Amino acid sequence: EDQVTQSPEALRLQEGESSSLNCSYTVSGLRGLFWYRQDPGKGPEFLFTLYSAGEEKEKERLKATLTKKESFLHITAPKPEDSATYLCAVQRDYKLSFGAGTTVTVRA
Amino acid sequence: DVKVTQSSRYLVKRTGEKVFLECVQDMDHENMFWYRQDPGLGLRLIYFSYDVKMKEKGDIPEGYSVSREKKERFSLILESASTNQTSMYLCASSLMGHSGANVLTFGAGSRLTVL
Repeated sequence: EDQVTQSPEALRLQEGESSSLNCSYTVSGLRGLFWYRQDPGKGPEFLFTLYSAGEEKEKERLKATLTKKESFLHITAPKPEDSATYLCAVQRDYKLSFGAGTTVTVRA
Repeated sequence: DVKVTQSSRYLVKRTGEKVFLECVQDMDHENMFWYRQDPGLGLRLIYFSYDVKMKEKGDIPEGYSVSREKKERFSLILESASTNQTSMYLCASSLMGHSGANVLTFGAGSRLTVL
């Protein structure tokens, strides 16, 4: 059975304080690892897809990396508008399995 | 610029009632999904449809059914609502790319409370 574990559950940061979120996974035949952002009261919004170990992708203050067992989402110099829940998911065949998410709060 | 629309944002129903959750997408996607999201459990797949009138069970299909009569519309049905079906329900659609990556576009969600 596919498993996705995200840590920490919650992260409180000061504006400008960089940090990383972890996504550990177990899946046979990984077709892709996804990061989504979810704001309160809204559906998840797609951020990145990573396909193979060693791959990295960046978007503004966010950078996602992938190894064979885990992925990291690095937030560099965060701003209050980066506050959200970040979800990780792995794809096997057509199916995505999601982690429970990390809720990030950035204080000004 | 709305792409996946869930018709009801908030619903309150009584135990035993039949509940319909509607989802419409305007991106001409083949695939549509229903997930439920509960604190600490993440998103769990209820049902999936890859074409009109086609459906597959996800991880937690018990107590639910679905209908896809038109490509753009995917409905989730709770035949007899129970309190343990109180949850946030998320609809999503996707178009499998050449890479095979299944990038989902989600609706805003429907929060269902069963009393």
